[in-house]
Amino acid sequence: NAGVTQTPKFQVLKTGQSMTLQCAQDMNHNSMYWYRQDPGMGLRLIYYSASEGTTDKGEVPNGYNVSRLNKREFSLRLESAAPSQTSVYFCASSLRPVVDQPQHFGDGTRLSIL
Amino acid sequence: AQKVTQAQTEISVVEKEDVTLDCVYETRDTTYYLFWYKQPPSGELVFLIRRNSFDEQNEISGRYSWNFQKSTSSFNFTITASQVVDSAVYFCALRDGRTSGSRLTFGEGTQLTVNP
Repeated sequence: NAGVTQTPKFQVLKTGQSMTLQCAQDMNHNSMYWYRQDPGMGLRLIYYSASEGTTDKGEVPNGYNVSRLNKREFSLRLESAAPSQTSVYFCASSLRPVVDQPQHFGDGTRLSIL
Repeated sequence: AQKVTQAQTEISVVEKEDVTLDCVYETRDTTYYLFWYKQPPSGELVFLIRRNSFDEQNEISGRYSWNFQKSTSSFNFTITASQVVDSAVYFCALRDGRTSGSRLTFGEGTQLTVNP
């Protein structure tokens, strides 16, 4: 059972390049999330998708776009990468977008913007 | 505002010692959930426990135990007889109904190092 799968695991970009981070879950979860993890700041929500067909901004959405391609897949796009977007990105999913549901995380994507 | 504070940035212990990781939270909601996650050196985030705001019973799972006290807005995590494999960053997180998308609000994490 793979759970939440993120690709790629590592990526180096130059400033101004674009890139899409991929996320897929096989747990039949309805809700999916993208977080970024920066030193000393814990994880912060970028965007989320409460259910297939819906997406909403989280705490730090600027510079990002998302697509909920289907129930399984939720991608995060950087249109014009900036050094401030150097971070570790985590995708997560939960059965429902309600408070009692734990979120299950992928292994992360380590992204460096030069 | 919703906030989670983990005041201990780093803790270092010797194997077999007991260690407690502190977590203090803020929320104006009466219904909320608290979570602990473990992030080992390999980087993934592993869900450990969920506790709702109406259940203040302590919970024990093997060497792990959690102490939830609403009076002090704390949800502390104790590892008994620590082992080297417990070395990781531990995150406390809060989720309530007031925050859009019911997102998890994470603390900054506590880096636990268990030395042999």
